Amino acid sequence: GENVEQHPSTLSVQEGDSAVIKCTYSDSASNYFPWYKQELGKRPQLIIDIRSNVGEKKDQRIAVTLNKTAKHFSLHITETQPEDSAVYFCAASRYTGGFKTIFGAGTRLFVKA
Amino acid sequence: DAGVIQSPRHEVTEMGQEVTLRCKPISGHNSLFWYRQTMMRGLELLIYFNNNVPIDDSGMPEDRFSAKMPNASFSTLKIQPSEPRDSAVYFCASSSEYNEKLFFGSGTQLSVL
Repeated sequence: GENVEQHPSTLSVQEGDSAVIKCTYSDSASNYFPWYKQELGKRPQLIIDIRSNVGEKKDQRIAVTLNKTAKHFSLHITETQPEDSAVYFCAASRYTGGFKTIFGAGTRLFVKA
Repeated sequence: DAGVIQSPRHEVTEMGQEVTLRCKPISGHNSLFWYRQTMMRGLELLIYFNNNVPIDDSGMPEDRFSAKMPNASFSTLKIQPSEPRDSAVYFCASSSEYNEKLFFGSGTQLSVL
């Protein structure tokens, strides 16, 4: 069945450093790869996404890369700030009469001031 | 728009009792998803609907769980009988037919004692 692996489960960085979270997916039919950020006690919210016809996308301090051949995709956060501390989820989605979205297990990011 | 609305926000019940969680998707969205979040498993997709029809319920843990969507603006997730291992945060999310982006509700924190 569909599966999304996410690493690491926990990541601690110093303020100003970069953070990288990596994911792999199993369903080759997946064509949409969103990333969600969940702050403590809050709902997950989309921060960036990438479609399968694109290899890289950037939005200010965050960027995502996608390697469809290897079924890998990654989130890069540069110049981290304490407010980046949260749980980040990668996901893979494909259309099956609605966009079925499967999430990775999440990465808890701590940014130390 | 008020976003995806879930009720109740918190539910505390005793083992063996029936629990009903409710969700109102964003108006105009035709896909609705139920996810369960735990520390161990992250965000698990339980079931999703498209145009009020269940498309994939392969994530429903067992027969104690059932979900319905009687109309485009309302869905329920029922657990009967509930067990302590069902304790988790249950999120409802919706998306439109033309956009894969998921909008999450605030979640229901379920505690089964």
